[in-house]
Amino acid sequence: QVQLVESGGGLVKPGGSLRLSCAASGFRISDHYMSWIRQTPGKGLEWILYSSSSGNVMQYADSVKGRFIVSRDNVENSVSLQMNSLRAEDTAVYYCARDIRLPPLGWFDSWGQGTLVTVSS
Amino acid sequence: DIQMTQSPSSLSASVGDRVTITCQASHDIKKYLNWYQQKPGKAPKFLIYDASILETGVPSRFSGSGSATDFTFTISSLQPEDSATYYCQQYDSLPITFGQGTRLEIK
Repeated sequence: QVQLVESGGGLVKPGGSLRLSCAASGFRISDHYMSWIRQTPGKGLEWILYSSSSGNVMQYADSVKGRFIVSRDNVENSVSLQMNSLRAEDTAVYYCARDIRLPPLGWFDSWGQGTLVTVSS
Repeated sequence: DIQMTQSPSSLSASVGDRVTITCQASHDIKKYLNWYQQKPGKAPKFLIYDASILETGVPSRFSGSGSATDFTFTISSLQPEDSATYYCQQYDSLPITFGQGTRLEIK
């Protein structure tokens, strides 16, 4: 059974950093692209980045480029999201998702339960 | 960026009704359109890909159609458990973008 479990969310001050983790089970992340998607009441669902199956290719949305870094540990079967220079507008529920690739891009067939990140002083 | 616009933003319907949601893309996205269902406090659930192909296990009362810029999502006979918010998502080009959602309430 495919399962994704995020952790690491919490309250952080503007300008601070936070690291989210996503532990996968029931499949090997080395066989799949993985994405992070966030959700806010105001902006809805926003895809923010993906990591290729090998981890060699990453793409970021402009809103997080230069501040967020994705990494993966194919041995531990987990994906991490390092978030730096956090802003109030980064406040959201963050989901990791398995990214099914059928060119040109793909879809998200499995999601974690989400972890809330609140950026506030 | 490709903007995805759903309508209506919300609707209310009765059990057994046929319900249709539309999703319009700001550019031609061919058939590269997916649909998700999200219930309160839960992650989105993947329903349909390539505009019209049901994910395995998704009930056949759900369907999708369309191409280019205009797409529809239909529930043929609404069930109580279909109360949720529905989102479209394009995968024609980066950044991947979602519609703003359609909240479906059961009367």
